[in-house]
Amino acid sequence: QVTLRESGPALVKPTQTLTLTCTFSGFSLSSSGMCVSWIRQPPGKALEWLAVIDWDDDKYYSTSLKTRLTISKDTSKNQVVLTMTNMDPVDTATYYCARIIDYGSGTYIDHWGQGTLVTVSS
Amino acid sequence: QSVLTQPPSVSGAPGQRVTISCTGSSSNIGTGYDVHWYQQLPGTAPKLLIYGNSNRPSGVPDRFSGSKSGTSASLAITGLQAEDEADYYCQSYDSSLSGYVVFGGGTKLTVL
Repeated sequence: QVTLRESGPALVKPTQTLTLTCTFSGFSLSSSGMCVSWIRQPPGKALEWLAVIDWDDDKYYSTSLKTRLTISKDTSKNQVVLTMTNMDPVDTATYYCARIIDYGSGTYIDHWGQGTLVTVSS
Repeated sequence: QSVLTQPPSVSGAPGQRVTISCTGSSSNIGTGYDVHWYQQLPGTAPKLLIYGNSNRPSGVPDRFSGSKSGTSASLAITGLQAEDEADYYCQSYDSSLSGYVVFGGGTKLTVL
């Protein structure tokens, strides 16, 4: 059974750095085709993909947020960490951790975490 | 501005059939990358509904079906039920920079 769970602060101040941790189980991030991604959703708005790390430790980032994001993994702990610098109120959103399957014809998300709401406010 | 374009809203009466379109371009759907669909019920995380254009994960009713043609894809829901009221998102891969995952803007389905 695949599960993912996000953890991190519910409230951060503007200009601070956000660190989110995704703890997962039921699969190995070392297995070919396995990836873990972060996706966010501002209140009442659409999903926005942020970053992904794959089984080979390759990392990809959203073009618009690339300069602010860092994704890393600790395979032994089954964790993926996302840091986002210089937080702003517009970054207020529910942040989801998700497992991505990378196969020959693209990528898709087959399991999602429950999400964690992060509010940016002074 | 989402890479994939969906109608903001659709509606239908119980028992009816509705479709939701997803339009992409030559760098994503048109290149041959598959389209996937997610259902997001109010207050919950999205759930995989259709993968690989037309495949349903275990547990998804066969009332839901997907198709793809050219640079577009569609999600069809037949025998509409009140519990289908949700937001629906399409997703694909884009061969341009940082296109690992691209979403549509989402479609709100209202069951009248």
